[in-house]
Amino acid sequence: GENVEQHPSTLSVQEGDSAVIKCTYSDSASNYFPWYKQELGKRPQLIIDIRSNVGEKKDQRIAVTLNKTAKHFSLHITETQPEDSAVYFCAANPGTYKYIFGTGTRLKVLA
Amino acid sequence: SAVISQKPSRDICQRGTSLTIQCQVDSQVTMMFWYRQQPGQSLTLIATANQGSEATYESGFVIDKFPISRPNLTFSTLTVSNMSPEDSSIYLCSVEADRGIHEQFFGPGTRLTVL
Repeated sequence: GENVEQHPSTLSVQEGDSAVIKCTYSDSASNYFPWYKQELGKRPQLIIDIRSNVGEKKDQRIAVTLNKTAKHFSLHITETQPEDSAVYFCAANPGTYKYIFGTGTRLKVLA
Repeated sequence: SAVISQKPSRDICQRGTSLTIQCQVDSQVTMMFWYRQQPGQSLTLIATANQGSEATYESGFVIDKFPISRPNLTFSTLTVSNMSPEDSSIYLCSVEADRGIHEQFFGPGTRLTVL
């Protein structure tokens, strides 16, 4: 069935460094890939998304890349700040209304 | 994005009882979803609630355990029936803001503890 793998499960970076989180999906029909940030005790917040007709999208310090051939997509955060510390979830939308979520990455930005 | 509220925000319940969670949206939406997020885990879709039709349940979730209502385009309820401690979790509703765009926005969640 549909599956989304996410790595790493935890990631610690020094403030100012970059962070990269990678996801792999199984369903080639997937055409929409959102990323959510969830702070402790809060709801998941959509931070960026990419559709299958583009390879890269950027919004200030965050960017997402998509390799449809390899079925990989990645989240890049540059110049990390302590407030970037959270759990990040990728998801794939296999051409339906459903999301298949990755297992999450706990990002810690060390001051 | 839509403004989504949930009630209650948290509850502590005894095993064997039922709890109904409400989800209210400030605009009409076609697709509403109910998710479960167990402690430290990812989000798992329970069911999709469309107005005017039966909810569609994902594998592992059944209507008898998680009955859902969707009486109009701004409101839905999820009931967790005959609860056991394994049902302790955060339950979140989400909405697809514009049909075909696929963006989903989440409510604040209901933290359920079953003793």
